[in-house]
Amino acid sequence: EAQVTQNPRYLITVTGKKLTVTCSQNMNHEYMSWYRQDPGLGLRQIYYSMNVEVTDKGDVPEGYKVSRKEKRNFPLILESPSPNQTSLYFCASSLAGTAYGYTFGSGTRLTVV
Amino acid sequence: KQEVTQIPAALSVPEGENLVLNCSFTDSAIYNLQWFRQDPGKGLTSLLLIQSSQREQTSGRLNASLDKSSGRSTLYIAASQPGDSATYLCAVYSDTGNQFYFGTGTSLTVIP
Repeated sequence: EAQVTQNPRYLITVTGKKLTVTCSQNMNHEYMSWYRQDPGLGLRQIYYSMNVEVTDKGDVPEGYKVSRKEKRNFPLILESPSPNQTSLYFCASSLAGTAYGYTFGSGTRLTVV
Repeated sequence: KQEVTQIPAALSVPEGENLVLNCSFTDSAIYNLQWFRQDPGKGLTSLLLIQSSQREQTSGRLNASLDKSSGRSTLYIAASQPGDSATYLCAVYSDTGNQFYFGTGTSLTVIP
């Protein structure tokens, strides 16, 4: 089944403890992206990647890191999480080019206390 | 920067009604527009993707239209059912930022 898989689905952590949220797609998509969703603010892009070893900042990149060492994987790293990073996170992928839509993962609900 | 607005924020209708959800965007230079459905606590499911050269797309009881010049899209749902209850999100792909820009969604409740 074609899908984007995120792990974990739920995570509660403490301030400052490094964490990684994994994202993997099995559709051979070039483009991958991370969004966070907050009430009243909608979905905002954190980082995106056009292909392996090519990443760039979205609208809200502060406090996050990403890497794209393989085409299928695009992990999101929070080096020192803070409570304002409590949010619902989504990974998305698509084929390269502007004619294609997104496929989304099921989301990761992160709580930082 | 592209801004996407969805009105109304919430909508409640009796089962069987036809309804229209609205989406507007500020920059008409888009490549495509995508409508999603999001169930509580779940991910986003793609409903329809309209290319900038198209006027509408249909899938089952759903019909989405696009008027790029006026910066508007509508999602028409025919004969609504309780299972249609969800939040509907509109997203436009713009050249700036290499991303889809999302509206904040319309929360739809269909009452049996």
